[in-house]
Amino acid sequence: SYVLTQPPSVSVAPGKTARITCGGNNIGSKSVHWYQQKPGQAPVLVIYYDSDRPSGIPERFSGSNSGNTATLTISRVEAGDEADYYCQVWDSSSDHRGVFGGGTKLTVL
Amino acid sequence: QLQLQESGPGLVKPSETLSLTCTVSGGSISSSSYYWGWIRQPPGKGLEWIGSIYYSGSTYYNPSLKSRVTISVDTSKNQFSLKLSSVTAADTAVYYCARHTNYGDYVAWGQGTLVTVSS
Repeated sequence: SYVLTQPPSVSVAPGKTARITCGGNNIGSKSVHWYQQKPGQAPVLVIYYDSDRPSGIPERFSGSNSGNTATLTISRVEAGDEADYYCQVWDSSSDHRGVFGGGTKLTVL
Repeated sequence: QLQLQESGPGLVKPSETLSLTCTVSGGSISSSSYYWGWIRQPPGKGLEWIGSIYYSGSTYYNPSLKSRVTISVDTSKNQFSLKLSSVTAADTAVYYCARHTNYGDYVAWGQGTLVTVSS
């Protein structure tokens, strides 16, 4: 089945830019979605179809996807952005359709 | 506004069947634009896709769980359900129900329910 690889942790100072990567074989050919999960809460979709933002998600959140890497970028990071972030694809070519990355813990220093 | 709510026992004995129901309000489960799915998260770990169902009854399951999982839909009650048989401690997790598009983006989630497998 398809595998998505994320770094376990990323740290960033407030006001700086955080980049969280999601690696997968030819992931650029798939639609990648990103979720934010804070402790004790359900995940929230923050980016869909590689780079689109749902309503209510700040413009500071952006996404890109090319080759073997998709990236979630959070600009002007705030303390409230500290959370776990998961990438996800829907692999229609496989029986294992819903694939999540292992998650990345974003720490705001 | 669409809301999803999981319900079911919080404690299941090993070898028994875990049964959960997701009640959908504020929208129809028969919408042709969406699928309905289950995702779980063991304590302190990441998200794991369990499976999805379309309102017509078409299902997709995680191959690693397929032999033990059944997802069904009841359009008359606006609900869909999860059954996981022969559970072990490894099935202890927060179970989420959610709605996703045919591109797989989960646009709405339930709050999640913790199911513990223990005797």
